[in-house]
Amino acid sequence: DIQMTQSPSSLSASVGDRVTITCQASQDISNYLNWYQQKPGKAPKLLIYDASNLETGVPSRFSGSGSGTDFTFTISSLQPEDIATYYCQQYDNLPRVTFGPGTKVDIK
Amino acid sequence: QVQLQESGPGLVKPSETLSLTCTVSGGSISSYYWSWIRQPAGKGLEWIGRIYPSGSTNYNPSLKSRVTMSVDTSKNQFSLRLSSVTAADTAVYYCARDRGSLLGGVWFDPWGQGTLVTVSS
Repeated sequence: DIQMTQSPSSLSASVGDRVTITCQASQDISNYLNWYQQKPGKAPKLLIYDASNLETGVPSRFSGSGSGTDFTFTISSLQPEDIATYYCQQYDNLPRVTFGPGTKVDIK
Repeated sequence: QVQLQESGPGLVKPSETLSLTCTVSGGSISSYYWSWIRQPAGKGLEWIGRIYPSGSTNYNPSLKSRVTMSVDTSKNQFSLRLSSVTAADTAVYYCARDRGSLLGGVWFDPWGQGTLVTVSS
């Protein structure tokens, strides 16, 4: 099975800061990597699909990059409404689907 | 726009079968795969499996022996059955559309609001 790791597990940043989260796969997953935002008590929301494609309606301050085993999710200027837990999710051709453990983002 | 709503018992006894239904509104259940995903309290997300309107399924290997999914296109609904449940199956269960399936990918949008299922005697 493909294992996903995320770092950091949590972070605290100021409004306006650039925030970066990394996600690493245990084997090459090409660009089959998606990112979600989950606010407390709510369902996850798709932000980025296939590593770098911004979902329609998602603010442009969110971006993703990477391929193979190493991926990055960036919030270019953190806003108060971005407080949430962020998950990466990989898939393969079978398909097998796994999520990363999540990164909790807080305001400093 | 498409909306999903989970329904089913909130309490299931150990060793019994958990049954949930997801009702899709605002669009047809045709043409996409539809998934179940769960999240224990304070923990991460686990994909359970998915079903196509034809009845074709893919299950998480770790749950495959206990999972059955079905679809009722006439009601725009799909369902999950998880047998022989234990306390470890206590979680919020989400249904979601696999929007990526039209493009050969697997990404979930939208999601239902989730329903808490507790396994306890």
